[in-house]
Amino acid sequence: QSALTQPASVSGSPGQSITISCTGTSSDVGDCNCVSWYQQHPGKVPKLMIYDVSNRPSGVSNRFSGSKSGNTASLTISGLQAEDEAGYYCSSYRSSVIFGGGTRLTVL
Amino acid sequence: EVQLVESGGGLVKPGGSLRLSCAGSGLTFSNAWMSWVRQAPGKGLEWVGRIKSRTDGGTTDYAAPVKGRFSISRDDSKNTLYLQMNSLETEDTAVYYCVSGGHYFDPWGQGTLVTVSS
Repeated sequence: QSALTQPASVSGSPGQSITISCTGTSSDVGDCNCVSWYQQHPGKVPKLMIYDVSNRPSGVSNRFSGSKSGNTASLTISGLQAEDEAGYYCSSYRSSVIFGGGTRLTVL
Repeated sequence: EVQLVESGGGLVKPGGSLRLSCAGSGLTFSNAWMSWVRQAPGKGLEWVGRIKSRTDGGTTDYAAPVKGRFSISRDDSKNTLYLQMNSLETEDTAVYYCVSGGHYFDPWGQGTLVTVSS
């Protein structure tokens, strides 16, 4: 069982928006602005998409956004594209770095 | 362009040892907090541990499953990060990624596969 809880899968049609949740506790997600999100295509290296809850690294599309409310962080992808189909992992910090179990995004 | 290149993976028997290396370029390596993250076949990401920059104390932190068995070190003169893995278990089988960062990670190396099997 992962320290952070993510839905196993989400899906959406091209052009739609989807949101992936990441639920932790008041000791991790709820305690710091240290949530990050990673995208991983099959057989590829993970890529940082969001850091410190809502910041986008240079080069990441502004279709990707992050937020947090209480103990739950969220990754929203707007204007879904086929290339967004991938696995997504959230991460936070609770005396050590912890990851969510990952969410498989399917673009229908 | 920042590049991290891991080496040293391979097949090792349970109870054995292995040392991974990660050569960095394109970054001020000595200022960087560096970490190792692993991914078992078909599974999710798991943080292994990190080492702070020397100016921030150079201390290390480890995940509970590897504490006491794994050790992270760095040689800033060679821009190289190391992961010494002892008392390896079958559950340690994974791709090991070298990553730049202490609590968020960017960029990632290509990874090196460690297989623990008899």
